[in-house]
Amino acid sequence: EPEVTQTPSHQVTQMGQEVILRCVPISNHLYFYWYRQILGQKVEFLVSFYNNEISEKSEIFDDQFSVERPDGSNFTLKIRSTKLEDSAMYFCASSALGTNTDTQYFGPGTRLTVL
Amino acid sequence: QKEVEQDPGPLSVPEGAIVSLNCTYSNSAFQYFMWYRQYSRKGPELLMYTYSSGNKEDGRFTAQVDKSSKYISLFIRDSQPSDSATYLCAMTKANQAGTALIFGKGTTLSVSS
Repeated sequence: EPEVTQTPSHQVTQMGQEVILRCVPISNHLYFYWYRQILGQKVEFLVSFYNNEISEKSEIFDDQFSVERPDGSNFTLKIRSTKLEDSAMYFCASSALGTNTDTQYFGPGTRLTVL
Repeated sequence: QKEVEQDPGPLSVPEGAIVSLNCTYSNSAFQYFMWYRQYSRKGPELLMYTYSSGNKEDGRFTAQVDKSSKYISLFIRDSQPSDSATYLCAMTKANQAGTALIFGKGTTLSVSS
């Protein structure tokens, strides 16, 4: 069964450093998403992406964040200058159509620890 | 008032029990409702989705939506130890491409054998 994959599974970085989190969405999917989950908190939407453009973004997704589909398979989230409060699980998701009745399939997540 | 409220539990039940998990929401624009299951340190996995008031059944799981009360439920019959996980309700607004899922905080369920 096709699945969303994410690398690395755990990333440790120093405050102020740039990090890139990588995702390989399901191959025939067209919409891509990033969510984050701070420990003990709810899963929060960051951004959705379609046709090489951001479709929707939340207040969390400020100028420190950017997304890119650098090739036909990868989808990345870049945090330019990490802060302690960026420590969280980051989940990538993808969906085939992007309509509300469509399923968003989540990857296993990348645990980001900012020291 | 938070958009989506969900009692975090934890909820502990014996094997075979019927489990009821619930969420309330404040925004009447939410039209589509989902239940995800999340095992420890894993990504959310979709269990069920529904868009109309009433019940939807899938095996041991039943999703119930009451839009007039802004209340959704997930019932698990004959609960099994493998059902032990965190259950997240999620919802979205009217049809828009790439729409965000808005999650509840999740209810942690433990089923003992």
